[in-house]
Amino acid sequence: NAGVTQTPKFQVLKTGQSMTLQCAQDMNHEYMSWYRQDPGMGLRLIHYSVGAGITDQGEVPNGYNVSRSTTEDFPLRLLSAAPSQTSVYFCASSSPSGILTDTQYFGPGTRLTVL
Amino acid sequence: AQSVAQPEDQVNVAEGNPLTVKCTYSVSGNPYLFWYVQYPNRGLQFLLKYITGDNLVKGSYGFEAEFNKSQTSFHLKKPSALVSDSALYFCAVRPSDRGSTLGRLYFGRGTQLTVWP
Repeated sequence: NAGVTQTPKFQVLKTGQSMTLQCAQDMNHEYMSWYRQDPGMGLRLIHYSVGAGITDQGEVPNGYNVSRSTTEDFPLRLLSAAPSQTSVYFCASSSPSGILTDTQYFGPGTRLTVL
Repeated sequence: AQSVAQPEDQVNVAEGNPLTVKCTYSVSGNPYLFWYVQYPNRGLQFLLKYITGDNLVKGSYGFEAEFNKSQTSFHLKKPSALVSDSALYFCAVRPSDRGSTLGRLYFGRGTQLTVWP
């Protein structure tokens, strides 16, 4: 299994540009989520999904959209990039057998810089 | 409100000495507690978790953590530190009550562990 994969690894955007961060998992996990990591702030939840066709907002959803058309993929879209969105983005997934008790597995991250 | 506190931004220990990385939490309902480690330019790797049962949980790479309900703590420990343990460590909690965001993990700010030779 490849686990959780993310592309790209690095990205530089100009203010106002849009882009999509890709996330895929091959573990048949129903639960997927996006976090952003900023220095001294830990990880903050952006959006999450409990299955295909079902998404919901996390702690910091503004400026981001998600969709979940398949179990495997959970892309994160930045609609109009702002310097405040400069961060490292992590995608995570966990198995369907117990959402609360199961371990979340993280991808390698995407380092995004918005100029 | 749910929260996790890691009171030390940095912990420095000598190789071979025991190490402790502290974590306290505030959560509604019974907590599910996790420790993750992050090496430079890498994603988070799962170390261990407490769900129920024995308060002492053993995990990967010789790490263990002790759940203390009365002190609402879940400190990470290792009897003998290695230089290769140097990394950023995150404590996380998932509340069990139905009113919380389903499946969400609440993370501490992280503790940078440095083990010197």
